[in-house]
Amino acid sequence: DAKTTQPPSMDCAEGRAANLPCNHSTISGNEYVYWYRQIHSQGPQYIIHGLKNNETNEMASLIITEDRKSSTLILPHATLRDTAVYYCIVSTKTSYDKVIFGPGTSLSVIP
Amino acid sequence: EAQVTQNPRYLITVTGKKLTVTCSQNMNHEYMSWYRQDPGLGLRQIYYSMNVEVTDKGDVPEGYKVSRKEKRNFPLILESPSPNQTSLYFCASSLEAGAYEQYFGPGTRLTVT
Repeated sequence: DAKTTQPPSMDCAEGRAANLPCNHSTISGNEYVYWYRQIHSQGPQYIIHGLKNNETNEMASLIITEDRKSSTLILPHATLRDTAVYYCIVSTKTSYDKVIFGPGTSLSVIP
Repeated sequence: EAQVTQNPRYLITVTGKKLTVTCSQNMNHEYMSWYRQDPGLGLRQIYYSMNVEVTDKGDVPEGYKVSRKEKRNFPLILESPSPNQTSLYFCASSLEAGAYEQYFGPGTRLTVT
């Protein structure tokens, strides 16, 4: 059972910010939100993760709502190389159970 | 360079012929896992290992075996491959269990005829 809901696809103009939403209404208090991306048939790549606070790194920003039921991954200046499938995952930091990658959001960055 | 390697990258085989896909990581990670990816089904976990000699089933373990005799290696074994195991396979590792910054290998595309 997927714990997250994401739109199946999105477009973004090159150079603009890409905002990818994720709903995780059943998230529990000790579960983190993780984002990965997969560029065509390559291995998925970790992007960022967070618990409550907004997070930023060199790749992206993660905005988590106060009730933690949803989050948004922001790619501030999308490039063509950001075209990929983006996966939002919720999991405890020491989860031994199966890790669930849902279908994700296919982001197309358009010139 | 920190990495997860898989071999072979591509393999075409016939039904019933035993095969092994190797996975190795050089990051001293405790946690390793195997996924398969099929169109429309996303990534599904096959097996995972929390440490040496500790393995457990994921979502779709049927038809697969694994072993973890050394920390760095986590081979995936198909004793009697069938066409429904044609898929793209990924090995992944992380410092500790769970989704925390998993490092994925480049993938192995397996075709069973």
